[in-house]
Amino acid sequence: GQSLEQPSEVTAVEGAIVQINCTYQTSGFYGLSWYQQHDGGAPTFLSYNALDGLEETGRFSSFLSRSDSYGYLLLQELQMKDSASYFCAVRAEGGFKTIFGAGTRLFVKA
Amino acid sequence: EAQVTQNPRYLITVTGKKLTVTCSQNMNHEYMSWYRQDPGLGLRQIYYSMNVEVTDKGDVPEGYKVSRKEKRNFPLILESPSPNQTSLYFCASRGQGSSGANVLTFGAGSRLTVL
Repeated sequence: GQSLEQPSEVTAVEGAIVQINCTYQTSGFYGLSWYQQHDGGAPTFLSYNALDGLEETGRFSSFLSRSDSYGYLLLQELQMKDSASYFCAVRAEGGFKTIFGAGTRLFVKA
Repeated sequence: EAQVTQNPRYLITVTGKKLTVTCSQNMNHEYMSWYRQDPGLGLRQIYYSMNVEVTDKGDVPEGYKVSRKEKRNFPLILESPSPNQTSLYFCASRGQGSSGANVLTFGAGSRLTVL
């Protein structure tokens, strides 16, 4: 079956750096994306990797290794507002389906 | 403003009473999709549509129907809702091209309770 594995919960302090890992097993691969979801809100797009390497967008960076079926989201200079759930997602099966991980709940402490 | 709009945002209904959740996008996207979100399970794809009159099943299509008669609209139909369809539902659309195709824009969500 198809699956994406990510930790269920991560806790970090304000100003720190945190890394959220994602390993995937899918039928086909057309890109790894990351979404943020605050409580009561909708998922919003953060970052995407189609090729190996690091993509940087402000305080957020995302990494992909296709040979390892692995990626991570790196959040730097953590702020309280970063407390949210983070989902990795893979576009698979001819590119028509997007499969999500179960989400990582990030708690940022003062 | 580019957005995906879904209605209703909240709905309580009873088993067997047909309901429709509407979804509309103003970005001229060809691809639209429905997801349900349940605690600990992330988002699971119900149905998707690649263009007008072209739809296909996602991973959890049982008990749902969709239609795509116009590019902007993609309603989700529950013909005979059951309690196990109590969930938070999201509609999403995405653009074309290597980058646009990897960016889903989500509606605000519709919380459905089936008694």
